[in-house]
Amino acid sequence: AQSVTQPDIHITVSEGASLELRCNYSYGATPYLFWYVQSPGQGLQLLLKYFSGDTLVQGIKGFEAEFKRSQSSFNLRKPSVHWSDAAEYFCAVERGGSQGNLIFGKGTKLSVKP
Amino acid sequence: EAGVTQSPTHLIKTRGQQATLRCSPISGHTSVYWYQQALGLGLQFLLWYDEGEERNRGNFPPRFSGRQFPNYSSELNVNALELEDSALYLCASSLGLAGGDEQYFGPGTRLTVT
Repeated sequence: AQSVTQPDIHITVSEGASLELRCNYSYGATPYLFWYVQSPGQGLQLLLKYFSGDTLVQGIKGFEAEFKRSQSSFNLRKPSVHWSDAAEYFCAVERGGSQGNLIFGKGTKLSVKP
Repeated sequence: EAGVTQSPTHLIKTRGQQATLRCSPISGHTSVYWYQQALGLGLQFLLWYDEGEERNRGNFPPRFSGRQFPNYSSELNVNALELEDSALYLCASSLGLAGGDEQYFGPGTRLTVT
């Protein structure tokens, strides 16, 4: 069965430092890949998505993600973290042929130190 | 433009009762999705409705059901509530396109079963 793994449950970075959140998926073909962010008490906001083509995708709020087929990874990055980036981040996969069924990772909670 | 709205914000029910959660999609969106975000279990896909029909269902018992109305709003019903149904229920909507459709999430309904 397909799955999404976010190995880091909680990450703390200093404001202004770079960030990389890891995501690995298990699926035979290339799925549709997404990163969402959830602030406390809020719903999820789409940061970026990958369907095909260029493996480096740009998203909102200065985030980017790189798809690496050989590593089945879709890591999220930001060069300089702001205090407002503190939130929980979810990687998700939509399996081709099972439209609507987003499979989410367990999430990575990001804390930002001043 | 209004985003996805959900009501109520909070709902407290007793075990064995029924709960009804409501969702209004973004204008122009025909697909509505329901997810459960329970502590320790992460985000799990529940149901997908499009054009009034149930299109896909997650691994949940039949006491989780719903419907989509002609105006594309949706209702999630949970019968015979159990303590483990306590969770944040998120609704999302999309244009209903094939594969990789972007889902936009509402703020959720927090269901507490006592």
